[in-house]
Amino acid sequence: QVTLKESGPVLVKPTETLTLTCAVSGFSLTSGKTGVSWVRQPPGKALEWLAHIFSSDDKSYYTSLRSGLTISKDPSHGQVVLRMANVDPVDTGTYYCARIFYGDRKGFYFDYWGQGTPVTVSS
Amino acid sequence: ESVLTQSPGTLSLSPGERATLSCRASRGVRSNYLAWYQHKRGQAPRLLISGASSRATGVPDRFSGSGSGTDFTLTISRLEPEDSAMYFCHQYGSSFFVFGQGTRLEIK
Repeated sequence: QVTLKESGPVLVKPTETLTLTCAVSGFSLTSGKTGVSWVRQPPGKALEWLAHIFSSDDKSYYTSLRSGLTISKDPSHGQVVLRMANVDPVDTGTYYCARIFYGDRKGFYFDYWGQGTPVTVSS
Repeated sequence: ESVLTQSPGTLSLSPGERATLSCRASRGVRSNYLAWYQHKRGQAPRLLISGASSRATGVPDRFSGSGSGTDFTLTISRLEPEDSAMYFCHQYGSSFFVFGQGTRLEIK
């Protein structure tokens, strides 16, 4: 059974670094046609893709939206970590991690999601 | 990078009616690798459709996806009250994932 669960601070001060952790189970972070992505949703707005890391360790970031992102994984602990430097109140929202699957010729899509973790950036 | 534009922004329909949601891409979607998600408040998004027209496991056959190139449609026939949600289209291309801005479906 595939599961993902996000964790991190609920409140962060402006200019600090936000660190979010996605604990995964039921699939490998180092093999298979999978990966993990971070997606966020500001209050009342659409979903925004932030970054992803594939099982191959290939990474990509939405730098046009947000610079200062770093994604990494710790396969031994089943975790994917997103770090966001120099946060601002506009970074307030719910942050989700999701599994990417691309093994069936139907494209790259998010087949499993975590429940999300709320983050507020405020002094 | 491609932009996905969804319409309408809000749709208000009655139970039993049919909903037609549109997603238009600014560039052709590679191999029709377009997905649709349902997102209810306080819940995780749920994959509905991948590859433009393939229903995900457990998704009722009232949900169907169609389209190719730059124009895609999610159709929900025989609306039920629990279909009230935001619906997002989504694609992957050139190492980037892109979401549409969403359509809010309200069931009267």
